Amino acid sequence: GESVGLHLPTLSVQEGDNSIINCAYSNSASDYFIWYKQESGKGPQFIIDIRSNMDKRQGQRVTVLLNKTVKHLSLQIAATQPGDSAVYFCAENVSGTYKYIFGTGTRLKVLA
Amino acid sequence: NAGVTQTPKFRILKIGQSMTLQCTQDMNHNYMYWYRQDPGMGLKLIYYSVGAGITDKGEVPNGYNVSRSTTEDFPLRLELAAPSQTSVYFCASRPPSGRNYRNEKLFFGSGTQLSVL
Repeated sequence: GESVGLHLPTLSVQEGDNSIINCAYSNSASDYFIWYKQESGKGPQFIIDIRSNMDKRQGQRVTVLLNKTVKHLSLQIAATQPGDSAVYFCAENVSGTYKYIFGTGTRLKVLA
Repeated sequence: NAGVTQTPKFRILKIGQSMTLQCTQDMNHNYMYWYRQDPGMGLKLIYYSVGAGITDKGEVPNGYNVSRSTTEDFPLRLELAAPSQTSVYFCASRPPSGRNYRNEKLFFGSGTQLSVL
């Protein structure tokens, strides 16, 4: 709902610029990572995922980078558009479990 | 395919009332999850299920109950609503792991915004 993300870190970017959203994950045993986009009043939508045996994966206008040494994940959005404005969450799945741990999220604001 | 469907979208409860949040999916997914999302926080796992007849607690199960009598449905029950349960609730599902690891991503419903006053 509208109240989600009131105190989230915010990244403001100009339309057309590239965006980089960062996430520190918590468990060194996690082996699968997902980025979700959440627009106001909606549920999280899948953007891109990556396994721990990779350090980079590309989709359409999005790239995920994984640094297992420092437990860091990033989402790069190329040529950011107004429709990219949303809250972005990373999620990690600990190997051998059915559970997913979600980060607190980052709000992306695209400036016209 | 409708995906994951949650009802109702909004609800206001008085302290001590009970209600059931409905969740159904038409993707034949084995795994289903209930999360709550508080303002400025990430998603917290309440309960999950790996198949019909099997449920397990997540991080924040107190005050909630679930059942999984069918593959499609995974209702969440609040017996004695408290103000601390004011939140947005999301149901999610995923298929079992296969050779294609992309099957492990969660599919979410659109959420139920619950206020307990």
